[in-house]
Amino acid sequence: AQSVTQPDIHITVSEGASLELRCNYSYGATPYLFWYVQSPGQGLQLLLKYFSGDTLVQGIKGFEAEFKRSQSSFNLRKPSVHWSDAAEYFCASGSGGFKTIFGAGTRLFVKA
Amino acid sequence: SQTIHQWPATLVQPVGSPLSLECTVEGTSNPNLYWYRQAAGRGLQLLFYSVGIGQISSEVPQNLSASRPQDWQFILSSKKLLLSDSGFYLCAWSPPPSYYGTEATEEAFFGQGTRLTVV
Repeated sequence: AQSVTQPDIHITVSEGASLELRCNYSYGATPYLFWYVQSPGQGLQLLLKYFSGDTLVQGIKGFEAEFKRSQSSFNLRKPSVHWSDAAEYFCASGSGGFKTIFGAGTRLFVKA
Repeated sequence: SQTIHQWPATLVQPVGSPLSLECTVEGTSNPNLYWYRQAAGRGLQLLFYSVGIGQISSEVPQNLSASRPQDWQFILSSKKLLLSDSGFYLCAWSPPPSYYGTEATEEAFFGQGTRLTVV
C-alpha cells in the first residue's frame, strides 16, 4: 500500500543554519511527490512538487528537494533557515489516482 | 483562477449536536474533493474524497459523513458530535484525472480550515 513516512516529529535548528527534513515513500511506480507547509491555524501551502525530470526541484521560499529513487526518499532542504520558516511541514505522495497520502508532518522550531 | 472557500473558520459545538461544514470550489470543473482532519499534534488524516457529484469514498469508519450535492460543493456532516470529533478540518481540491500529463498534477489546494471544538 502507498505510504509516506516522515521520521522526525519535530526538529529544532538555529536561525541561519541549514535544514533537511526527511521523507520516505512507499510505492511501486514513481509517484508524484510534494512538500507542503502549514503555519499555525492555517491551511497548507505547496512548497514544491516532483513528478518527472530533474530530480532536484526548486520551490518557493528558498526550499529545494531531491528525489532519490534508490532510497525512496524526497528530502526537503534549505541552506539557511529564517525564523519565519517555523511551521509544520508535510511530505505527500500521489499515485496518479484520486488521492494524496500525507506524512504525519515534521514541526520545525527555529531558535535565535 | 481557482479558489476554495471553507467555513466556518471556528466552531464550538456541544456533544450530541449536529455538524455541517461546507466547502466550495470556484473556477474549475469536476475537481476531486477531499476532507481531512488534523488532530492536535498529529498529521493529516484523509476522511473522505469525491471524484464527482454524489460519489463519496470514506477512508475511515467514523461518526462523520460527507456529501457532494453540486460539482463545486462538498459538505461534512455529523448527526451527533462526539468529543473525539474535535480537531482541525481541512477541505482540499485537486485537478481531475483528465488533467494528468499536462502541467497540472495531483497537487492539492487547501482551504483555510475549520477549528472544531466539541465541548
